[in-house]
Amino acid sequence: AQTVTQSQPEMSVQEAETVTLSCTYDTSESDYYLFWYKQPPSRQMILVIRQEAYKQQNATENRFSVNFQKAAKSFSLKISDSQLGDAAMYFCAYRSARETSGSRLTFGEGTQLTVNP
Amino acid sequence: DAGVIQSPRHEVTEMGQEVTLRCKPISGHNSLFWYRQTMMRGLELLIYFNNNVPIDDSGMPEDRFSAKMPNASFSTLKIQPSEPRDSAVYFCASSFRGGAGTQYFGPGTRLLVL
Repeated sequence: AQTVTQSQPEMSVQEAETVTLSCTYDTSESDYYLFWYKQPPSRQMILVIRQEAYKQQNATENRFSVNFQKAAKSFSLKISDSQLGDAAMYFCAYRSARETSGSRLTFGEGTQLTVNP
Repeated sequence: DAGVIQSPRHEVTEMGQEVTLRCKPISGHNSLFWYRQTMMRGLELLIYFNNNVPIDDSGMPEDRFSAKMPNASFSTLKIQPSEPRDSAVYFCASSFRGGAGTQYFGPGTRLLVL
């Protein structure tokens, strides 16, 4: 079974600075997808960014980028120019690409990000 | 475009009562997921459907929980009878099966069982 680990329960960053959230995962599969979701106080789960394991290029979405290290099974999220609205719980998630494994997302424990003005 | 719609947003009920949570997936999506989020267990998948058919219900806690998807635009999650330990936020998510199958979440239903 796949597992996802977020070793930082809490992180803080100053507004306009850069912060990196860590995520590691364990899998024996070679084809899969990785996601970062954001959960603000409203509890809504919002997709931040997605990475296909077969792509070597790291995904980027505006101020959000990932550092995907497949061999190390590491998938960190970098937030540049942090804004107050970035304050939220961030979840890393894994999904197998194998149809027989189903479509379930396996989530990490989450990292609570605080942005200080 | 409308996202995933869930109702009710908040539900307070007494132990032993029946609770029904509702979900309308994004139009065109053919996979639907029910998740539960608690402080103790984090986010856990309860059940998911492909093309209205339940594929994996191994996450359903016990027989008190049941889920249905009578058509492509509607699903329910029912708890009968409810217990205080069922208190949680219940999310519905939908995706298009295939490719990355990115799941888009509804706003959640916050359930409190007294």
